[in-house]
Amino acid sequence: NAGVTQTPKFQVLKTGQSMTLQCAQDMNHNSMYWYRQDPGMGLRLIYYSASEGTTDKGEVPNGYNVSRLNKREFSLRLESAAPSQTSVYFCASSDRVNEKLFFGSGTQLSVL
Amino acid sequence: GEDVEQSLFLSVREGDSSVINCTYTDSSSTYLYWYKQEPGAGLQLLTYIFSNMDMKQDQRLTVLLNKKDKHLSLRIADTQTGDSAIYFCAEGSDSNYQLIWGAGTKLIIKP
Repeated sequence: NAGVTQTPKFQVLKTGQSMTLQCAQDMNHNSMYWYRQDPGMGLRLIYYSASEGTTDKGEVPNGYNVSRLNKREFSLRLESAAPSQTSVYFCASSDRVNEKLFFGSGTQLSVL
Repeated sequence: GEDVEQSLFLSVREGDSSVINCTYTDSSSTYLYWYKQEPGAGLQLLTYIFSNMDMKQDQRLTVLLNKKDKHLSLRIADTQTGDSAIYFCAEGSDSNYQLIWGAGTKLIIKP
């Protein structure tokens, strides 16, 4: 079972470059999430999608955009990367909003 | 805003019990979760407890909830080297649109 699949696993960007992080889940979950993880700060929610066709801002949405492409896929876009966006990014999904999240293996992003 | 707090480190000897503690502030919590993160990996749901429960046991894991003190603990019996990881506490409620996460407790196993 694949669960939640994120690509890429690693990425290095220069300041000002753009990129899209891809996420797909095969559990037929309704809700999907993007988090960032920084040392000593736990997880911070960037955006979430409670169901197909909806997206909402989380705690730290500035500098990011998302697209819920279909029920399976939820992408995160950085339009103009900044060093402050250096972090580990996790995609997650759940059947109901904020209940029993399942996580991908993460993307390590460095912005120089 | 609501908050979840955990100690950053816990060191135990192999074979001993580990107790990881968490305190939270949201009195309307519905679910409380424990997640495990091994190095270089994503978070894995370990166990959870409904807010109307006091205790939940699952093999080597025991979760205790003191709702009056807003205190949650995870006990791992007979701690093994494979239990080395960061353990995150999180709480969710109907009044908040997102889970509130603790910063994680790194469990270090001494031989």
